[in-house]
Amino acid sequence: SQTIHQWPATLVQPVGSPLSLECTVEGTSNPNLYWYRQAAGRGLQLLFYSVGIGQISSEVPQNLSASRPQDRQFILSSKKLLLSDSGFYLCAWSHGSLGSYTFGSGTRLTVV
Amino acid sequence: GENVEQHPSTLSVQEGDSAVIKCTYSDSASNYFPWYKQELGKRPQLIIDIRSNVGEKKDQRIAVTLNKTAKHFSLHITETQPEDSAVYFCAASPNNDMRFGAGTRLTVKP
Repeated sequence: SQTIHQWPATLVQPVGSPLSLECTVEGTSNPNLYWYRQAAGRGLQLLFYSVGIGQISSEVPQNLSASRPQDRQFILSSKKLLLSDSGFYLCAWSHGSLGSYTFGSGTRLTVV
Repeated sequence: GENVEQHPSTLSVQEGDSAVIKCTYSDSASNYFPWYKQELGKRPQLIIDIRSNVGEKKDQRIAVTLNKTAKHFSLHITETQPEDSAVYFCAASPNNDMRFGAGTRLTVKP
């Protein structure tokens, strides 16, 4: 069966520090991969999605970036965090464009 | 791009009553409409979905209806229970970038 792993679960980082969140999927190949952010009490904002290795689509211009170095690995990064980057970051995967999304357990990021 | 609006933002019902959450979407190319339930501090989990060739789908106490002409779809929960309390998200997907509604916080009072 397919599983999705996301880490770390919680992270407290100072303003201006770098960020690296990792997501991996097991039990499937060539998944679509997604990064979403959820501000406290708010909805899900799509940040990036990827349909293959090295293919990244960005939805929101900001100081975040994403990379897909391997088929089942998706990384969210920042060179310098802002206070507004605080939130709950969720990785997700799907089979193609019309499959249901399965979410990782999320990373709660607090920028101080 | 796709724009999904969801109403109401909060909903409080008595245990045993029904709850209805409504969503509209803008992109007529959308053809997949899932609903997710998110409990506090946890990941969203799929509870039911519908594809554009189907008007209604039921799974025990949960049902979803879709009106493609009007571009709206709804979630119906019957005989609500306290464990149904959570935030519910609708979503619409025209291609590789599923868009979510802002969420509905459902509270079921015992």
